Amino acid sequence: DQQVKQNSPSLSVQEGRISILNCDYTNSMFDYFLWYKKYPAEGPTFLISISSIKDKNEDGRFTVFLNKSAKHLSLHIVPSQPGDSAVYFCAAPRGAGADGLTFGKGTHLIIQP
Amino acid sequence: DTGVSQDPRHKITKRGQNVTFRCDPISEHNRLYWYRQTLGQGPEFLTYFQNEAQLEKSRLLSDRFSAERPKGSFSTLEIQRTEQGDSAMYLCASSFGIENTEAFFGQGTRLTVV
Repeated sequence: DQQVKQNSPSLSVQEGRISILNCDYTNSMFDYFLWYKKYPAEGPTFLISISSIKDKNEDGRFTVFLNKSAKHLSLHIVPSQPGDSAVYFCAAPRGAGADGLTFGKGTHLIIQP
Repeated sequence: DTGVSQDPRHKITKRGQNVTFRCDPISEHNRLYWYRQTLGQGPEFLTYFQNEAQLEKSRLLSDRFSAERPKGSFSTLEIQRTEQGDSAMYLCASSFGIENTEAFFGQGTRLTVV
């Protein structure tokens, strides 16, 4: 049962514009979320996280928004750059007492020149 | 420190053979995780260690899979009697401190069972 869902397998955005990647979750007990970025033939790398006590966290060009009532979070990248082309995974801790993360299926972001 | 290291990067094996993968975590990290990723999916949790103790195994980890972390340093993941369905990317990650903090991933081992 997929507790973290990324419903867009791919997204194409023009360089310089805003990229918005979406993620929905089903477990209302989740209190911490992470975004990972993955290039081909490499492991995922941590990008940004957000705690449920916040509704926004910003780090340079990357901002994550959390809407707890809708069980929805989004990652905004502004402005988008060619190096941002990658697969982005939304993740959350697996649950109370369980270590490790549960991941969405990922969204392949393609930045067009 | 060069980060989490996995070896080999690629492994092709015949069905029925045994394979072993190695992961060297970031040296001060006490937590080590194994994940499996198949095409079109995100990483799926397999097992994790806190120091040398294996604290949890996913139901995805059949009896043919075994993982160890002797002395709380590097870890190995062995798959016995490989099946074609075992073909996947096997990812190792490590973290330090309390549970569910940011984990650092290795580059993975791509297993192909023919």
